Amino acid sequence: QQQVKQSPQSLIVQKGGIPIINCAYENTAFDYFPWYQQFPGKGPALLIAIRPDVSEKKEGRFTISFNKSAKQFSLHIMDSQPGDSATYFCAASMRSSNTGKLIFGQGTTLQVKP
Amino acid sequence: NAGVTQTPKFRILKIGQSMTLQCTQDMNHNYMYWYRQDPGMGLKLIYYSVGAGITDKGEVPNGYNVSRSTTEDFPLRLELAAPSQTSVYFCASSYGGQVYQPQHFGDGTRLSIL
Repeated sequence: QQQVKQSPQSLIVQKGGIPIINCAYENTAFDYFPWYQQFPGKGPALLIAIRPDVSEKKEGRFTISFNKSAKQFSLHIMDSQPGDSATYFCAASMRSSNTGKLIFGQGTTLQVKP
Repeated sequence: NAGVTQTPKFRILKIGQSMTLQCTQDMNHNYMYWYRQDPGMGLKLIYYSVGAGITDKGEVPNGYNVSRSTTEDFPLRLELAAPSQTSVYFCASSYGGQVYQPQHFGDGTRLSIL
């Protein structure tokens, strides 16, 4: 119930491609879904986040699509660049916990080839 | 701005030894977290704190202890180190329990236990 399942584990695309990373959850009490980006040797950093009252959120080349009925959400990276090569984590949280705790997916390592 | 600072960056321990991983933040954040990151497993919450003097267990607390005597510092103690504790440890902080506040991560401590 507390798990967030992320796929694929790794992904290789050519520059300009549109990688898509998928996440699924079971606990309907989750009400905040952030994506974190992590470069080698660094800690994760917030990339973009969505609440379940919207179906899509876009920030620059990054878009989250959210399907509340299917309990799934995904990250799309438009016109991907080699600088986007990183590990991406989806996560979920419950405002009602009042702790800010995040449940992370397993992570996806993305490589964008020049 | 230093943000979240973790020391040491790397450490090798022998089985049975003990050590303390240091974490300090200069953003006056109330909430702090310790995660471990293992390949293909995402980030797992070890302990968290919602304020000075208040700590609670996360998903994988066994073999670890924490304390929070000040707002700035949140050290993680490993007692009787075991090979299963070989991992990358991340400390994070956030402004408060409001779920939409992002967590800010340090750059991690890479720990090997031999």
